[in-house]
Amino acid sequence: SAVISQKPSRDICQRGTSLTIQCQVDSQVTMMFWYRQQPGQSLTLIATANQGSEATYESGFVIDKFPISRPNLTFSTLTVSNMSPEDSSIYLCSVVRPLNTEAFFGQGTRLTVV
Amino acid sequence: AQTVTQSQPEMSVQEAETVTLSCTYDTSENNYYLFWYKQPPSRQMILVIRQEAYKQQNATENRFSVNFQKAAKSFSLKISDSQLGDTAMYFCASLNSGGSNYKLTFGKGTLLTVNP
Repeated sequence: SAVISQKPSRDICQRGTSLTIQCQVDSQVTMMFWYRQQPGQSLTLIATANQGSEATYESGFVIDKFPISRPNLTFSTLTVSNMSPEDSSIYLCSVVRPLNTEAFFGQGTRLTVV
Repeated sequence: AQTVTQSQPEMSVQEAETVTLSCTYDTSENNYYLFWYKQPPSRQMILVIRQEAYKQQNATENRFSVNFQKAAKSFSLKISDSQLGDTAMYFCASLNSGGSNYKLTFGKGTLLTVNP
């Protein structure tokens, strides 16, 4: 298994500001992913965080709005920029171990934009 | 592209009884994995059970088992002897293991309530 520490667990932010979410894994992993879960909805993949290169974004998500850093194999950040109330969601980081193809998740960050 | 469909937005079951959650999927890949995740109010995503598509035998984990019908692309979850702590949102998910694509595709979820 993998232990993933995600911070902050929740935050209330003013519109127009930015929030950076951190994800720390207890071991090196190749693949890290960021998901968004809007209220009452399923998880939608935002991007794949690549170590040493730019993140790969899914359709509908752009780097200017959701910049991602991946400085090493155990850490990643997701920034939600210029927030609006529509950005109020749970954001989750996830890692996959290709060896056994298991996916593990952080505790999630509940973001409320007012 | 992969799709995962959960047709039951909500279900309820009495404590100690058995309940089955439905899931169908679509993929053009030969190598893939299927998962059921549980998300309680704490919002932590917890892996319940995992099935490799190349295995014919249905996966089991204690009270949790799946009915994997590959030809029908069906992957249902059976929870036996339901407990109050099983109350949660349950998500079915698929993952293709071909190449470098390890992205999960989730269904919309089924809210399960276990009643005392």
